[in-house]
Amino acid sequence: DTAVSQTPKYLVTQMGNDKSIKCEQNLGHDTMYWYKQDSKKFLKIMFSYNNKELIINETVPNRFSPKSPDKAHLNLHINSLELGDSAVYFCASSPKTGTGMAEQYFGPGTRLTVT
Amino acid sequence: QKEVEQNSGPLSVPEGAIASLNCTYSDRGSQSFFWYRQYSGKSPELIMSIYSNGDKEDGRFTAQLNKASQYVSLLIRDSQPSDSATYLCAVDPGGGADGLTFGKGTHLIIQP
Repeated sequence: DTAVSQTPKYLVTQMGNDKSIKCEQNLGHDTMYWYKQDSKKFLKIMFSYNNKELIINETVPNRFSPKSPDKAHLNLHINSLELGDSAVYFCASSPKTGTGMAEQYFGPGTRLTVT
Repeated sequence: QKEVEQNSGPLSVPEGAIASLNCTYSDRGSQSFFWYRQYSGKSPELIMSIYSNGDKEDGRFTAQLNKASQYVSLLIRDSQPSDSATYLCAVDPGGGADGLTFGKGTHLIIQP
């Protein structure tokens, strides 16, 4: 069974469209994350979320919004897509935070291409 | 600005030798440190975590942490061609709630 899964694997869309990426984890973890890996392979945190708190990286445009229907899912909605949004988006999860020992496990990634 | 620095490489190591990967971080309050391996087109895979000063060994991998020098390293013994990948150093500044800060990765090539 896949621990952290994402759909779709590939997403090609035009500028201005709105799209969503879904993420599910079956590890029973409390915290989930979204990361963006750009063309230079630099991996950067976008959001972290548990059932109590959403932490947003201040550099993320408000066109991006995470939505969590339950503890096992964290979806990423992107409005008014721009060319610069093209990247690979990774979902990750970790056990309860606050211990300073929260190992994160990554999903397979979603390659988003905006044309 | 919390930063994690790695030499981007490529680092070329002969098969069977020891590969040594290094990482420095800027946030002195950082608590947890991780090494991820990423093959081209794949997701980051956790290979080592280390939380206290000293060495931690797991199979062919040894992670080393020196908080005073703000330095983390990864040693890969008996390097194999399958170890060829990008190795990402990641730092948890505290608690994990605000995600990991990653270095830009070191591209490791094991030459048969």
